Amino acid sequence: KQEVTQIPAALSVPEGENLVLNCSFTDSAIYNLQWFRQDPGKGLTSLLLIQSSQREQTSGRLNASLDKSSGRSTLYIAASQPGDSATYLCAVRVRSSNTGKLIFGQGTTLQVKP
Amino acid sequence: DTAVSQTPKYLVTQMGNDKSIKCEQNLGHDTMYWYKQDSKKFLKIMFSYNNKELIINETVPNRFSPKSPDKAHLNLHINSLELGDSAVYFCASSQDSIYYGYTFGSGTRLTVV
Repeated sequence: KQEVTQIPAALSVPEGENLVLNCSFTDSAIYNLQWFRQDPGKGLTSLLLIQSSQREQTSGRLNASLDKSSGRSTLYIAASQPGDSATYLCAVRVRSSNTGKLIFGQGTTLQVKP
Repeated sequence: DTAVSQTPKYLVTQMGNDKSIKCEQNLGHDTMYWYKQDSKKFLKIMFSYNNKELIINETVPNRFSPKSPDKAHLNLHINSLELGDSAVYFCASSQDSIYYGYTFGSGTRLTVV
């Protein structure tokens, strides 16, 4: 059974710091991994999608890496800003029927202080 | 705007009532999902529909019944609501191919009193 774990559960950093959020999964048989951002009381916004054959994806100040064999992904945020404060969720897409399903970690709540 | 939209955004109701949440996507996706986010913010899949056909049903009480009138709509009906049903329910959609990501709606916060 696939399990997704995110460490740390919460993180507080001063503005401008570079930071890394970690995600691990127990079964390497995944189709892809997706990082989301969730603001309080809001929905999920997709940040990056990494296919199982890829090693990393970049979007602006965000860089996500994937090491499928070790069951790990990291989300790197460069030069953090107060507007980056949110909960970050990683999810892996696993085999279930013919379309798969997303299994989520419990998230890392990030606070960036001005 | 192209999106996944859910209504209502907030729903407060008494135990024992029956309620529905509606979801619509205009992204042309073939697969739609319902996820439940509990009080600890953990998201778990409930149902998945592909072209109006139920393909995933994750040990959800049969008080929950999804209905998909067409591939752009997936509604969730809940009978005999219980306190433990209080949560945020998210609708999502994706392309048929496993290589695409999911797009989520903004959620419906259900509070059962």
